[in-house]
Amino acid sequence: DQQVKQNSPSLSVQEGRISILNCDYTNSMFDYFLWYKKYPAEGPTFLISISSIKDKNEDGRFTVFLNKSAKHLSLHIVPSQPGDSAVYFCAARGGGYQKVTFGTGTKLQVIP
Amino acid sequence: NAGVTQTPKFRVLKTGQSMTLLCAQDMNHEYMYWYRQDPGMGLRLIHYSVGEGTTAKGEVPDGYNVSRLKKQNFLLGLESAAPSQTSVYFCASSTNTEAFFGQGTRLTVV
Repeated sequence: DQQVKQNSPSLSVQEGRISILNCDYTNSMFDYFLWYKKYPAEGPTFLISISSIKDKNEDGRFTVFLNKSAKHLSLHIVPSQPGDSAVYFCAARGGGYQKVTFGTGTKLQVIP
Repeated sequence: NAGVTQTPKFRVLKTGQSMTLLCAQDMNHEYMYWYRQDPGMGLRLIHYSVGEGTTAKGEVPDGYNVSRLKKQNFLLGLESAAPSQTSVYFCASSTNTEAFFGQGTRLTVV
């Protein structure tokens, strides 16, 4: 039972264009959402997050949008750069023990 | 800043052998986690701990044991390794809002 789903395993975008990574969740108890970025042979690193009381959070080139009614969030990267090429994991937090549930990841390739 | 450190980085085991993966964090975090990453499966939680002396099962706990004798350390044990446990293992510690990951341990069971 995958509570956090990233239905696109991969995405290719031209440098300078917008990258949009999508994530859907099923558990309405999730109250905090995070995006992590992972390079090969490294651990995931935190990128950006959003609380369930907000619908948008922006940090430089990265913006996360949350649509609670649709149980959907997205990560926008504008403009995309080759260094953004990585696997991006969506994650959601909920429950009493701060557990974080991860999606399966989307591999982003930014083409120069 | 060491953050979260995992040892070893690589290991090859024979089926039936045992081993322990060590995770150490220097951020004084209460919460610690062990995940495994497999192709097409994302990160799956094996066990976690909400504080020193406590452990709990995650999504895929079978075949693994853990201990949190000290707040800064979280150990993952494999008592009798199986080929299905071939994976990349990540340890993490967290605040209420952010998790910090180690660099991973690539384990192969032959």
